[in-house]
Amino acid sequence: GAGVSQSPRYKVAKRGQDVALRCDPISGHVSLFWYQQALGQGPEFLTYFQNEAQLDKSGLPSDRFFAERPEGSVSTLKIQRTQQEDSAVYLCASSHTDIQETQYFGPGTRLLVL
Amino acid sequence: ELKVEQNPLFLSMQEGKNYTIYCNYSTTSDRLYWYRQDPGKSLESLFVLLSNGAVKQEGRLMASLDTKARLSTLHITAAVHDLSATYFCAVGGRNTGNQFYFGTGTSLTVIP
Repeated sequence: GAGVSQSPRYKVAKRGQDVALRCDPISGHVSLFWYQQALGQGPEFLTYFQNEAQLDKSGLPSDRFFAERPEGSVSTLKIQRTQQEDSAVYLCASSHTDIQETQYFGPGTRLLVL
Repeated sequence: ELKVEQNPLFLSMQEGKNYTIYCNYSTTSDRLYWYRQDPGKSLESLFVLLSNGAVKQEGRLMASLDTKARLSTLHITAAVHDLSATYFCAVGGRNTGNQFYFGTGTSLTVIP
């Protein structure tokens, strides 16, 4: 079956622009995660959904970051008024049911803010 | 704040040699995850270690977990070039407040 997909794969934004990153998890997966990965670093947790409920958003770096999963499947990570420090790869992952199960990662969206 | 530390950060080894990557974490966790990442690619799950003393093996890779020492190891046996990648360990789940914490990664290069 299809894995986790993300779009766009690459995004160049001018500073101050709003961007929206999409994640399609594996069909039927309950849990969905967003991570930010800076160059040469490990992924950093941003937020976690169980179905449509956002159970943890403590990793979101500022109030410019917003994530939603309104129908419990596709998720969107929105960054408002992008800054250069937002440049990173944004990874989405999903797991079947429980948060402690193996996470399956998408290919990521590489965001460059100029 | 929970910390996950890996060492070494960079590892260059010859084909056929053995080596161990270490992962230390700073708080109680019953589960430890290992992932592989190839350049420009996403993360691929290698192992999930579920309890103290757990050992899992897949091909030339073997992972173990000591929850009392808060230490996991990833042992590479008779390395081959195809193992060149960055390896991450991670802890997380309900016992860490629904968050996941990744190490900084170990970049492995296997030289023919």
